[in-house]
Amino acid sequence: DAGVTQSPTHLIKTRGQQVTLRCSPKSGHDTVSWYQQALGQGPQFIFQYYEEEERQRGNFPDRFSGHQFPNYSSELNVNALLLGDSALYLCASTSPRGEGYEQYFGPGTRLTVT
Amino acid sequence: AQSVTQLDSHVSVSEGTPVLLRCNYSSSYSPSLFWYVQHPNKGLQLLLKYTSAATLVKGINGFEAEFKKSETSFHLTKPSAHMSDAAEYFCVVSGGSGGYNKLIFGAGTRLAVHP
Repeated sequence: DAGVTQSPTHLIKTRGQQVTLRCSPKSGHDTVSWYQQALGQGPQFIFQYYEEEERQRGNFPDRFSGHQFPNYSSELNVNALLLGDSALYLCASTSPRGEGYEQYFGPGTRLTVT
Repeated sequence: AQSVTQLDSHVSVSEGTPVLLRCNYSSSYSPSLFWYVQHPNKGLQLLLKYTSAATLVKGINGFEAEFKKSETSFHLTKPSAHMSDAAEYFCVVSGGSGGYNKLIFGAGTRLAVHP
């Protein structure tokens, strides 16, 4: 059983560009959350998708947007990249059925903005 | 609002000695609490979780944590450190009731284990 997968592993972009990151949830999971982890800090919640709708959102600007597809996979889009967007972006998925609220994390996408 | 405070940014122990990583939480209702570990260049792995069952929670790799409501603490312990325990540890609270809410992470504690 594959866990949460993310692509690409690493990405280098220039300030002002746009980027799309992808996530496939663990089999059987229908809810996907995205987190940003800046260097030396704990992950910060960006938003969460369920049934193809954004259900919760953290304190991130509208430049950060997302999408969930019918197969539960998800994309994170960031427009007008800033140097401060350089971080590890983590995707997490969770099960709707009694797993004690555990979220399973993918290995992350390392985004560098130059 | 929910929050967690990890009281030590760095902890250094010798191999074979006990580990104590401290965490205090703030929550307006009964929280779900977690400890995650992150090894260099790896994803986050769940060590253990508290979801209002037993207050002493056992996790993987010999780690334990005790939920103390009166002290609003959820400290992580291990009787004997191993070199492979060197990593970043995060105390986490679920931001709401139910399994679909966001996770709120502490700033992390970096554990170093010396031979």
